[in-house]
Amino acid sequence: KAGVTQTPRYLIKTRGQQVTLSCSPISGHRSVSWYQQTPGQGLQFLFEYFSETQRNKGNFPGRFSGRQFSNSRSEMNVSTLELGDSALYLCASSLVWGTDRANTEAFFGQGTRLTVV
Amino acid sequence: KNEVEQSPQNLTAQEGEFITINCSYSVGISALHWLQQHPGGGIVSLFMLSSGKKKHGRLIATINIQEKHSSLHITASHPRDSAVYICAVRSDNYGQNFVFGPGTRLSVLP
Repeated sequence: KAGVTQTPRYLIKTRGQQVTLSCSPISGHRSVSWYQQTPGQGLQFLFEYFSETQRNKGNFPGRFSGRQFSNSRSEMNVSTLELGDSALYLCASSLVWGTDRANTEAFFGQGTRLTVV
Repeated sequence: KNEVEQSPQNLTAQEGEFITINCSYSVGISALHWLQQHPGGGIVSLFMLSSGKKKHGRLIATINIQEKHSSLHITASHPRDSAVYICAVRSDNYGQNFVFGPGTRLSVLP
């Protein structure tokens, strides 16, 4: 069974550009959550998608957005990139979403390392 | 104050040593997870705990719900155990989204 797949693994972008990252969940998983990891702030929750709908959102500006497709693959987009957006972006998938995840395992992807110059 | 704290922040050990990493949290939780992150960035789930103790190979994880504390132990440590270990909790306070500790960076020297 394939794990959570994130593409691309590495990206270098210039300030002001936009970027799209992709996450394919484990087959059968319908929930995808996105996280940002920086040296200063650690791991922080961005948003969660389930059945093509955003279910939860963390405390990030509107420049960060996402979507989920009918096959459960998810993309996140960051517009008008800033130097501070340089981070490792991780996604995780699960069968269920929200409070139903109380006692579910965590499955993470390898991450996309974004560098903004 | 962060909801999830870990100690120590950094740990260097000699191969074969017994290692303990601690995690304390301040919110009610449904489960606590220990995660391992290697330099490449990907995160692997080691344990999910809601009570008691679990063992997997040389790794042991314990949790004390009353004291809001968990420990991860590594017996007979090996250089391949070098990684960042992250404690994460799921809580109704946060819609069962993960709240992460800051991580403990472990280096095991041969």
